[in-house]
Parts: sequence; C-alpha cells; structure tokens
Amino acid sequence: QKEVEQDPGPLSVPEGAIVSLNCTYSNSAFQYFMWYRQYSRKGPELLMYTYSSGNKEDGRFTAQVDKSSKYISLFIRDSQPSDSATYLCAMQTSGTYKYIFGTGTRLKVLA
Amino acid sequence: DVKVTQSSRYLVKRTGEKVFLECVQDMDHENMFWYRQDPGLGLRLIYFSYDVKMKEKGDIPEGYSVSREKKERFSLILESASTNQTSMYLCASGIPSVYEQYFGPGTRLTVT
Repeated sequence: QKEVEQDPGPLSVPEGAIVSLNCTYSNSAFQYFMWYRQYSRKGPELLMYTYSSGNKEDGRFTAQVDKSSKYISLFIRDSQPSDSATYLCAMQTSGTYKYIFGTGTRLKVLA
Repeated sequence: DVKVTQSSRYLVKRTGEKVFLECVQDMDHENMFWYRQDPGLGLRLIYFSYDVKMKEKGDIPEGYSVSREKKERFSLILESASTNQTSMYLCASGIPSVYEQYFGPGTRLTVT
C-alpha cells in the first residue's frame, strides 16, 4: 500500500463547477499537508499549505485536513478553464526534509 | 521571485552515455532536491542536498549520483544512461524548516 493515495483522474468538469480533489494517507506522523498545481510542461508550484488538522481558505481554494480519517481535500469554487492542470498532494512529517507526493489528479475545466 | 532553472528542457541521449543535468537556484537556499516524475508513480526523490558537498540518498538513488560544489548549483549525473531512466527530472530548492519547495521547469530526458 502506498503511503499516499490519489485518484489520477482525469476529472472533467464544466466551467463554474465546484471541484473536489482528495488524497488519503496511511502515516499518522504526517503533520504538513500541501497542494501543488502543475501545468503541462511546467514544474509544480505550491497552491495551499495546512499544518495539522483544519481548514484553510485562499480565494476560490479551500484545503481541508481530517487527521482522524487520514484524508485531505482541495476544493475549487467557480472553477475556470485556467484551473486545468494536474494537482499533487504532498505530505511531510515534522523535522524532516522529505515530502511524500501523491501521483496527481489531472483536472480539465471545460469552457 | 524565487527562480530555479534547469539546463535543458528536452534531452535525448543514447544508452550508456554519461548524462549531466544541471540545476541553479537564485535564492541562497540550503536545501536542493532532485526528483523524477513518471505517470502513475508521481514524484520520487532521487537525492537531497542540505549544504555544499553534503548529500543524502532519496528513495531511488540507484544509477544516479549528484554533485554540489556551490550552494546555488546541484547537478544530477547518470553514470551510464539506461532506457528505464527515460523520465521527467525536476529540481527543487527550499529552506530548512520551511515547508515550501520551489521547483524548476523540468528536463524531459529520453534515453534510446
């Protein structure tokens, strides 16, 4: 079993839809939870970061962490064609340099 | 803005060749990383460096070596390229105790 599981998609939604992207994990020591966005032929860029449990909102994006269920989510409201990208979750334990990445979910927002 | 640059966007090499991938960051970051990204496998860490001349093996170091002679530059070396090293290679940099890693644009390497 992988430490971090992420549905690869692809996920196609109409413009304006609410998108839900998810990852599950098995290591209860993870404390830092990140979402990266990767456009085609580019490197990943950090979108959202959450420490431990809870919610974090930034504009149209909301990140949620449920440590009891070992489940994290990224919600995108009012999705736009420019949101079409691969979304990678990443997790880290405190005091280490190492990320564990999910495999990424490819999202396509149709105009 | 943090900038991480990689020497080539696309590279085609023959089996058995020695391959050098270069990465340069301009933010004086202590940490630098080399990953490879493959469909269905995600990003996997090859090597990590936390200071000049210091390195640690990641999850898949076999067939690779690294060099960090200057703080801003981190090189990945494929001693004898093989077809199973065909992949997207991503370099990243960051500061210790800060969660964010900054990625370069990637080098798509094809070994024929």
